[in-house]
Amino acid sequence: EAQVTQNPRYLITVTGKKLTVTCSQNMNHEYMSWYRQDPGLGLRQIYYSMNVEVTDKGDVPEGYKVSRKEKRNFPLILESPSPNQTSLYFCASSFNREDGYTFGSGTRLTVV
Amino acid sequence: GENVEQHPSTLSVQEGDSAVIKCTYSDSASNYFPWYKQELGKRPQLIIDIRSNVGEKKDQRIAVTLNKTAKHFSLHITETQPEDSAVYFCAASHGGATNKLIFGTGTLLAVQP
Repeated sequence: EAQVTQNPRYLITVTGKKLTVTCSQNMNHEYMSWYRQDPGLGLRQIYYSMNVEVTDKGDVPEGYKVSRKEKRNFPLILESPSPNQTSLYFCASSFNREDGYTFGSGTRLTVV
Repeated sequence: GENVEQHPSTLSVQEGDSAVIKCTYSDSASNYFPWYKQELGKRPQLIIDIRSNVGEKKDQRIAVTLNKTAKHFSLHITETQPEDSAVYFCAASHGGATNKLIFGTGTLLAVQP
């Protein structure tokens, strides 16, 4: 089944403890992206990647890192999480630059 | 950079009525405009999209219109049903060589039976 898989689905962590949210797609998509969703703010792009080893900042990149060492994987790294990073995170991928994204199931992160 | 505004933020209609959601964008280079539906607790899913070389596109009860001159696009849902209740997001591509989609803030559509 073609899909975008994120893990974990839910995560509660403490301020400052490094964490990684994994994202993997099995559709051979070139483009991948991370969004965070907050009430009243819609979906805001954190980082995106056009291909292996090619990444760029979205609108809210502060406090996040990404890597794209393989085409299928695009992990999101929070080196020192803070409470304002409590949010619902979505990974997404698309085949090319003029296709809509397919979203993962989301990761609900709580930083206390 | 690109900015996408979406209205209304909430919309309540009676079953069988039509619903219209409107979005405006700021970057005249934007050339791809998808719409996503997000049901409660689920992921956003693409329901329809339109490209800048087309003025209107239909898929059963859903249609999208694009006015490039005015930089706005709209989602039209006819004969609404309770299962249409969800949050709807519009988005616009930033243009260029990337797939940098900028989303609106969403419209909560409630279809009353």
